[in-house]
Amino acid sequence: AQRVTQPEKLLSVFKGAPVELKCNYSYSGSPELFWYVQYSRQRLQLLLRHISRESIKGFTADLNKGETSFHLKKPFAQEEDSAMYYCALQGSSASKIIFGSGTRLSIRP
Amino acid sequence: DTAVSQTPKYLVTQMGNDKSIKCEQNLGHDTMYWYKQDSKKFLKIMFSYNNKELIINETVPNRFSPKSPDKAHLNLHINSLELGDSAVYFCASSYEGARGRETQYFGPGTRLLVL
Repeated sequence: AQRVTQPEKLLSVFKGAPVELKCNYSYSGSPELFWYVQYSRQRLQLLLRHISRESIKGFTADLNKGETSFHLKKPFAQEEDSAMYYCALQGSSASKIIFGSGTRLSIRP
Repeated sequence: DTAVSQTPKYLVTQMGNDKSIKCEQNLGHDTMYWYKQDSKKFLKIMFSYNNKELIINETVPNRFSPKSPDKAHLNLHINSLELGDSAVYFCASSYEGARGRETQYFGPGTRLLVL
């Protein structure tokens, strides 16, 4: 069965510190992995997807098939990074997207 | 020029009432979705339509009935509202890319409060 696990409900770090939001998945084939972000009172929006191999707002995520992980990282956190982050998985083209339970990232000044 | 729009933004109603939430996208996408985000911020898919046809129907009470009059619109009607229906409902759309359904574009959400 498809599953996305985000083990941390809340992650609080100081401004300038490195950030890592964990995401593990369960899927038998080759999935598409995404990170979505929801800033306070705003709509959910795509942050990045593994297939693009981009760095968005300083964030990167590498798909590790051996560990079935897609952790989101940023070397130096900024206050504007405070938001809710969702890891998501899509299997075959006809399947739905499964979202993790989300991690609230709080950046302390 | 809003990509995915929902109305209303806020909805406060009494238990037992029937209400509808509307969603429109002007992105030319062929797939639309309804998600429910509960008080713990857990996001779960409810329905998905592709070119006006229902393709995903999760375990949702049949008090919830989606309707897609055309591929740019997906409305959600809820009968006999219950307290547990209080949540934020997000509409989303995506297009069919070379690798299947691509990035989801979300609406601003509708905050439903059932009293």
